[in-house]
Amino acid sequence: DAGITQSPRHKVTETGTPVTLRCHQTENHRYMYWYRQDPGHGLRLIHYSYGVKDTDKGEVSDGYSVSRSKTEDFLLTLESATSSQTSVYFCAISESSWTGVGELFFGEGSRLTVL
Amino acid sequence: KNEVEQSPQNLTAQEGEFITINCSYSVGISALHWLQQHPGGGIVSLFMLSSGKKKHGRLIATINIQEKHSSLHITASHPRDSAVYICAALPQGGSEKLVFGKGTKLTVNP
Repeated sequence: DAGITQSPRHKVTETGTPVTLRCHQTENHRYMYWYRQDPGHGLRLIHYSYGVKDTDKGEVSDGYSVSRSKTEDFLLTLESATSSQTSVYFCAISESSWTGVGELFFGEGSRLTVL
Repeated sequence: KNEVEQSPQNLTAQEGEFITINCSYSVGISALHWLQQHPGGGIVSLFMLSSGKKKHGRLIATINIQEKHSSLHITASHPRDSAVYICAALPQGGSEKLVFGKGTKLTVNP
């Protein structure tokens, strides 16, 4: 199994508080992604990184920021959590392939509840 | 806007049946991924393909780039195959952003 861990796995917080989710990999893969998964929607990309300090927005990036200061860590921050950010968050990693993005490896998910 | 559509949304089968899940997309793509999400929530990659067919055990994935369509087949289905199957397309043009379908929930009854 690919070495990818997310923390925390479960978190309950209140509206307006900051929250940081961490994704840590031991595979030295180039790409790291943060997705959210909600009922009725497919996985939706929040932000992704294609290298240290290189990040880009996804389709649902409003209210989220990310940082990647080391290859192995990709942090997702909710500056001021809202109830609409209650979701399950998945981190994924991938290496490059000749088609672009290679095989994806997912973390176990982090369930965030914003009250 | 690139969209990925999966059908059916839900599928119930009896053990041993042959299963087909379909995925269609609206723009040209470089590759397509099939993923499996277990009832516990974990997601694993099954296939990544850009042409033809790939096989792994009882799972077969095919893709027709010109027709913008891919299928995932499961032969001799088993209750342990019960899961949500997700396809994701990587648009052409150097995009690094996969577009995901909403998933097909498969239940295989003994």
